[in-house]
Amino acid sequence: DAKTTQPNSMESNEEEPVHLPCNHSTISGTDYIHWYRQLPSQGPEYVIHGLTSNVNNRMASLAIAEDRKSSTLILHRATLRDAAVYYCILRDVIVGRDDKIIFGKGTRLHILP
Amino acid sequence: GAVVSQHPSRVICKSGTSVKIECRSLDFQATTMFWYRQFPKQSLMLMATSNEGSKATYEQGVEKDKFLINHASLTLSTLTVASAHPEDSSFYICSARGTEAYTFGSGTRLTVV
Repeated sequence: DAKTTQPNSMESNEEEPVHLPCNHSTISGTDYIHWYRQLPSQGPEYVIHGLTSNVNNRMASLAIAEDRKSSTLILHRATLRDAAVYYCILRDVIVGRDDKIIFGKGTRLHILP
Repeated sequence: GAVVSQHPSRVICKSGTSVKIECRSLDFQATTMFWYRQFPKQSLMLMATSNEGSKATYEQGVEKDKFLINHASLTLSTLTVASAHPEDSSFYICSARGTEAYTFGSGTRLTVV
């Protein structure tokens, strides 16, 4: 399985941008990069995903390195509600192959008021 | 978007009793659902993959006679913790795969006393 590496924890001030890094040096050509986050006492929620190009949605932006061996989730203006554990996960684009999600430890993001 | 409803959100039971947790996909059909368990301060651990109309696939080390999974329809999967003991106390989370991303239930906090 292609694995990802993330820092255990990060801290940011409220209303500042946050850049959450993820290394995935063994990524294959058919792996999408997915980000999920888990707020306290809740199930994970989808944040964003991408394959090669940078992606933007209402929650965040995803910047993908040209060689695809790393990516960065960007929260443009963090709020206290963004305090969560963020998981970077690789998912094969071919449905049925490597279908399940195996979670790593993720990055625990602390937001300082 | 895709919604997964999980019930109950919280249950307390006596040691030796069985507990059933339901996971429903509300606006889409899910031929495959996933069950996770999460202990405090730890990541999600995949327990089993639930397949509609067939037997579940359990991860290594997960007792299939202890954690009974039934996926009788395209919108409902159930996890029954048989003869629960205090060490089974945990946060259980189900998930279903949508067209592009996974959707997670809100989780069930099980406390066995």
